[in-house]
Parts: sequence; structure tokens; C-alpha cells
Amino acid sequence: AQKITQTQPGMFVQEKEAVTLDCTYDTSDPSYGLFWYKQPSSGEMIFLIYQGSYDQQNATEGRYSLNFQKARKSANLVISASQLGDSAMYFCAMRGMNSGYSTLTFGKGTMLLVSP
Amino acid sequence: ETGVTQSPTHLIKTRGQQVTLRCSSQSGHNTVSWYQQALGQGPQFIFQYYREEENGRGNFPPRFSGLQFPNYSSELNVNALELDDSALYLCASSSTSASSYNEQFFGPGTRLTVL
Repeated sequence: AQKITQTQPGMFVQEKEAVTLDCTYDTSDPSYGLFWYKQPSSGEMIFLIYQGSYDQQNATEGRYSLNFQKARKSANLVISASQLGDSAMYFCAMRGMNSGYSTLTFGKGTMLLVSP
Repeated sequence: ETGVTQSPTHLIKTRGQQVTLRCSSQSGHNTVSWYQQALGQGPQFIFQYYREEENGRGNFPPRFSGLQFPNYSSELNVNALELDDSALYLCASSSTSASSYNEQFFGPGTRLTVL
């Protein structure tokens, strides 16, 4: 079984500052992938960044980077230079690679509010 | 390239009724997954269809059923609606021949309210 834990129900940050959203995971799969999604109030899940369990380097996508610490089973999302448009729910998710089918296990999410 | 679309956007039903939600997958994608997202929670996996067959299911009762059509679009059917079925229903499409991590592309969701 896979489990994702996001312990921060809400985070506040000022515009242009960096923010870290926490995510820890648990899985017995030797190979897995970790995802972060952004969900604005409209409801659509927007893919942000992906980290494979065997990737040697931390993933980066523009202002998003994933701080992957495999031994600690953590995959924190770092958003640099926050913008007002970053205000949304953020979900960490995991996909096991050994399942007969691919699906995502999500955490409960963190609400990020960016203030001017 | 068109993205994932879902219909309807919103729906209101009463307890005991039946509902059908629809999803059109992204062009070239042959796999559709459905998720239920209750208020304040993360999405939960309902089931997945690959080439018109259900090939995985989460912890949902049999009154949640689905179909996938030859064009890879999909339906989610829920019978005997209960108040707890009120949620945002998300459809996601992916391709087994796509990137190494089989990224799932989500639609905008259908918000179902059961009264």
C-alpha cells in the first residue's frame, strides 16, 4: 500500500518569497514516481513536476523544484519567487511502478495563499 | 491537440437516483482513470480503463461502474446515489506509450451534489 502525508493544511507567503510545501511518503515498491499537482479553485489538477525514485538529481521545472530525500522518504516542493497566481491547493502524489496498472495516490493537500 | 474534457460541469441529483458522467480523453491517450475528490480531501482512485477494459479498481462499491469506448472516451455511472457521493469527479487520461512516467492529464471535473 502507498501513503502520502502532507502535514501543512495551509501556508502563507508573501509575493516574491520562496515557500516549501512538505510531503512524506510510504511505499513498499522499489520503483516509484512522485508528482506535485496544483489545483486552483476551478478544480482542474495541473501537473507541476515529477521525480522518479531512481533519478539522481532533484527535478526542476522553472520556479518549481522538488527536494527529494529518498532515505527520509520526503519529496518537498519548493516554489521560488511566489506569485499571486500561485494561490491554490497543492497535492503531492505517488505512482507505484510495479502495479499492473498505473494510478496515483494523493495526499490531503496544502492550501497556499500568496499575499501582495 | 485537445485536452481532457468532462461533462457536465455541475450536476444536482437526489438520493437514490442514478448519474452518468462523461470524459473525453486527450488525443492519442488510451487509458482513462476516474477519481473522486470529496470536499477538503485529495482525489481517491475509483477505477481505470485501458482499451475498453477495466484494469484496476480502488475501494469503491459495485454501484460505481464505468465504460470505455473505442475512441477511448469514458463514462462513470453511479447507481443508488448517496449523500456521501457528493464530490468533484475527476477524469485523467494517459498513454502507455507516452513518457516514462505515464503522466496523467486531468480534466476540469464534474461537481456532483446529492440532496
